[in-house]
Amino acid sequence: SAVISQKPSRDICQRGTSLTIQCQVDSQVTMMFWYRQQPGQSLTLIATANQGSEATYESGFVIDKFPISRPNLTFSTLTVSNMSPEDSSIYLCSVSTNEKLFFGSGTQLSVL
Amino acid sequence: QQQVKQSPQSLIVQKGGISIINCAYENTAFDYFPWYQQFPGKGPALLIAIRPDVSEKKEGRFTISFNKSAKQFSLHIMDSQPGDSATYFCAASYLGFQKLVFGTGTRLLVSP
Repeated sequence: SAVISQKPSRDICQRGTSLTIQCQVDSQVTMMFWYRQQPGQSLTLIATANQGSEATYESGFVIDKFPISRPNLTFSTLTVSNMSPEDSSIYLCSVSTNEKLFFGSGTQLSVL
Repeated sequence: QQQVKQSPQSLIVQKGGISIINCAYENTAFDYFPWYQQFPGKGPALLIAIRPDVSEKKEGRFTISFNKSAKQFSLHIMDSQPGDSATYFCAASYLGFQKLVFGTGTRLLVSP
């Protein structure tokens, strides 16, 4: 399995600001993924972050709102830009290894 | 076509009983069906997974039953324990294990 560390674990932010979430993995992985889990809801894939290339975004998610960086094989960041209360969610980093998908503990974001 | 329908939304089972959660899908291209367990404040953790070439997979007290013709699969938790109280998500993927589509989740409460 992979050990995934996410920071911050939670934050309260003001409307219109941006927050960058960091994801660190204890081993090199080819693909990292960012998911959103809205309150009481299921998980929705935001984008796939590949090292050395631009992230691939799912329908309904755009780079201007959720810019992603993937500088190396163990690290990625997701920025939630120009936040509104509708962005209040848990944001989860995940990685695939040995044909399994593992998740970090998530970042609980509240936007006031 | 991309949806995975999960039921029930919530479930209360007595200690020692059997918990059963059901999922149904439409996309016959799905070829990987995992179940995830999520405790409050934590990311989802892979519990057990199955591919469509088998009808059942058992790991300890957890069993997946898979019905390819009906496009349904279910999770059975035998001898349910209070420590099993969590939210369970089924999921499906058609690109190996990477692009998962999650069900809506079932909140399980096992009463002592």
